[in-house]
Amino acid sequence: EAGVAQSPRYKIIEKRQSVAFWCNPISGHATLYWYQQILGQGPKLLIQFQNNGVVDDSQLPKDRFSAERLKGVDSTLKIQPAKLEDSAVYLCASSLVSGGGAYEQYFGPGTRLTVT
Amino acid sequence: GESVGLHLPTLSVQEGDNSIINCAYSNSASDYFIWYKQESGKGPQFIIDIRSNMDKRQGQRVTVLLNKTVKHLSLQIAATQPGDSAVYFCAERGANSGYALNFGKGTSLLVTP
Repeated sequence: EAGVAQSPRYKIIEKRQSVAFWCNPISGHATLYWYQQILGQGPKLLIQFQNNGVVDDSQLPKDRFSAERLKGVDSTLKIQPAKLEDSAVYLCASSLVSGGGAYEQYFGPGTRLTVT
Repeated sequence: GESVGLHLPTLSVQEGDNSIINCAYSNSASDYFIWYKQESGKGPQFIIDIRSNMDKRQGQRVTVLLNKTVKHLSLQIAATQPGDSAVYFCAERGANSGYALNFGKGTSLLVTP
């Protein structure tokens, strides 16, 4: 079974530039998550999708971050404009369902973003 | 706010010994806990989970213990191997959190020969 795919794996941009990350979840997984992991810390949830609807985006800095999952499969996360403090690994995860069902989240390898 | 934290940032053990990684949580409404392993350059990998109606769960070489009285979670790894070297995170899900996971900061486990 193929895992969660993410691209690019690495990205270096200057502050105030824009960047986009792509995620392809495991086939059949209805729930998709984007996490931000700053060096030395655990992942922090940015946004959670159930199919193509947003379940939780309470920790997404909406003035600069946006995410979409138009067809309920792939997802993109965008930052515009980037700040130095956005330097982190951006992880995508998926699970069959959320809530009381099969809950295990499978993570992709992440995209390491460096903002200079 | 509610938080999940780890007692020790780093742990060094000899190959073959048992490892114990501890985690404290503060949200008494948490109903589900997971341990993840993260190797350098990779995403977190599921190890084992436990629901709040249990106090112990065993997997292959790993055991998770949950003490709800003191809000403490531990991961025990038997016969630790070099391949176990990684950062270990505990994560909790609060019943009212929309089922999102709240991760702790992580413990780095180093297995020496």
